[in-house]
Amino acid sequence: AQTVTQSQPEMSVQEAETVTLSCTYDTSENNYYLFWYKQPPSRQMILVIRQEAYKQQNATENRFSVNFQKAAKSFSLKISDSQLGDTAMYFCAFMGEGRLLTFGGGTRLMVKP
Amino acid sequence: DAGVIQSPRHEVTEMGQEVTLRCKPISGHDYLFWYRQTMMRGLELLIYFNNNVPIDDSGMPEDRFSAKMPNASFSTLKIQPSEPRDSAVYFCASSSGGGLYEQYFGPGTRLTVT
Repeated sequence: AQTVTQSQPEMSVQEAETVTLSCTYDTSENNYYLFWYKQPPSRQMILVIRQEAYKQQNATENRFSVNFQKAAKSFSLKISDSQLGDTAMYFCAFMGEGRLLTFGGGTRLMVKP
Repeated sequence: DAGVIQSPRHEVTEMGQEVTLRCKPISGHDYLFWYRQTMMRGLELLIYFNNNVPIDDSGMPEDRFSAKMPNASFSTLKIQPSEPRDSAVYFCASSSGGGLYEQYFGPGTRLTVT
């Protein structure tokens, strides 16, 4: 079974600064997908970014980018130019060939003005 | 597209009552998932459907929980009888088998059982 670990329960960052959220996973599969979801206080789960394991290039979506290290089984999320609206819970998730998501425990991010 | 739609957004009920949660997936999506989120257990997959057929219900906690998908645009999750420990946020998500596999979540239903 796959496991996803987010070692930082809470983090804070000043507005306009950069922050990196960590995620590690464990799997024996070779083809899989990784995701970051954002859950603001409204509790809506919003897909932020995805990464296909077969792609070496790190995914980027505007201010959000990932550092995908397949050998180390690491998938961190970098948020640049942090905004107050980035305040939320962030969940790392793994999807293997079974197409089911395994979520990490989440990191609560607070962006301070 | 309107996204995944769930109703009600909030539900407060008394122990022993029947609760029905509803979900309308994104049009064209052929996978539908029901999740439960609690502080203690995080996000748990309860059951999922493919082309309206239940594929894996191993996450359903007890026989008190049941889910149906009578057609491609509607699914229900029913709890009968409800118990206080069922209090949680229940999410529905959908995805496309022909797409990039990402799941799109509804806004969730916050269930409180007193």
